[in-house]
Amino acid sequence: ETGVTQSPTHLIKTRGQQVTLRCSSQSGHNTVSWYQQALGQGPQFIFQYYREEENGRGNFPPRFSGLQFPNYSSELNVNALELDDSALYLCASSQSLAAQETQYFGPGTRLLVL
Amino acid sequence: GEDVEQSLFLSVREGDSSVINCTYTDSSSTYLYWYKQEPGAGLQLLTYIFSNMDMKQDQRLTVLLNKKDKHLSLRIADTQTGDSAIYFCAEIPNDKIIFGKGTRLHILP
Repeated sequence: ETGVTQSPTHLIKTRGQQVTLRCSSQSGHNTVSWYQQALGQGPQFIFQYYREEENGRGNFPPRFSGLQFPNYSSELNVNALELDDSALYLCASSQSLAAQETQYFGPGTRLLVL
Repeated sequence: GEDVEQSLFLSVREGDSSVINCTYTDSSSTYLYWYKQEPGAGLQLLTYIFSNMDMKQDQRLTVLLNKKDKHLSLRIADTQTGDSAIYFCAEIPNDKIIFGKGTRLHILP
């Protein structure tokens, strides 16, 4: 067990709605990254937060946004949900930005958009 | 472009060695990674290799890197039923991690 938790575990929404997914990082980890994993695909990098600031972003539109809080928790918000947003959303925390730093993944939130 | 390619499926008998292959495109990646994902779980980092190394061994795991051909492999010795999972190869060009689509390892009795 990595110590990274995510909530909820499963979620069903309809097109056009908004969703907030939550992640609790390991204590002391000031870096959190979010990934989208569609069925049968590898995880796709959404964005990374370091010390409460966005530190990098993948090819996702602005309706994907995030927040990181001082208590090692973070959120992924998705507005105007589309059917293709159905996926497993993973967060991963690490102690620093260093490329060799191990990322510890949570179990994910499975989102279904109808 | 940035792309990581893996075969999608591998079937191996229990006790044999498994070899999972990966090709990547960006030679600027300093580190290359192997992750394991079991059903219903997040990803677990298995091992990583620095780009100036040819080989790294860690217990039953051996990683081979051919930087000239941009080819990475993961060998699992004495494959066990607990090794059944999806294995992802990943690189980090430009500080953004790129994963392959994963290789599903199936263990035959």
